[in-house]
Amino acid sequence: GAVVSQHPSWVICKSGTSVKIECRSLDFQATTMFWYRQFPKQSLMLMATSNEGSKATYEQGVEKDKFLINHASLTLSTLTVTSAHPEDSSFYICSARDQTGERETQYFGPGTRLLVL
Amino acid sequence: GQNIDQPTEMTATEGAIVQINCTYQTSGFNGLFWYQQHAGEAPTFLSYNVLDGLEEKGRFSSFLSRSKGYSYLLLKELQMKDSASYLCAVMDSNYQLIWGAGTKLIIKP
Repeated sequence: GAVVSQHPSWVICKSGTSVKIECRSLDFQATTMFWYRQFPKQSLMLMATSNEGSKATYEQGVEKDKFLINHASLTLSTLTVTSAHPEDSSFYICSARDQTGERETQYFGPGTRLLVL
Repeated sequence: GQNIDQPTEMTATEGAIVQINCTYQTSGFNGLFWYQQHAGEAPTFLSYNVLDGLEEKGRFSSFLSRSKGYSYLLLKELQMKDSASYLCAVMDSNYQLIWGAGTKLIIKP
């Protein structure tokens, strides 16, 4: 079964509003979570690395004031798209790193589809 | 429930051929993706299958059988740089991605 969940699955909003997406690790604690964007049939583009208890690390070209990340606990990271515009419409996917087993594994969430009108 | 199964780890020799299998049980089907992920990097898109059959793209091919809930990724003429994790993901009826745990492919000289 799923070990990483995202909420909501779908979001449709008006331009200028803010949207919060939650990413939860269900069966393990994740000190590190990742946020990606994906356009149709394209590779996942890493936006930022979310670290529990510290500031997120953003990839070049990603505006940290527009995409606010909060990793409040070991099982929850949130991505807030502030003042969303139509060009922010995309498929947002999170993943969580599980370092508890013998092999470090990265589990991906089901994605959140954002449509900004 | 929804489930994607793929082997945890596979080993192959440089220059050889390897097939990575993926079986799935999902609520609806809107396509199957294969991604390659090198350690510490974001997954890169390899293929997308929505109809039955084989899709060939250079050294990589992907096959889908919707009736069997089965796909495979075929890598030919293996190179050392092909050492990576290969992720299978199915898009369900709600257009949500259901991910496999990934197959770590180790290439030996």
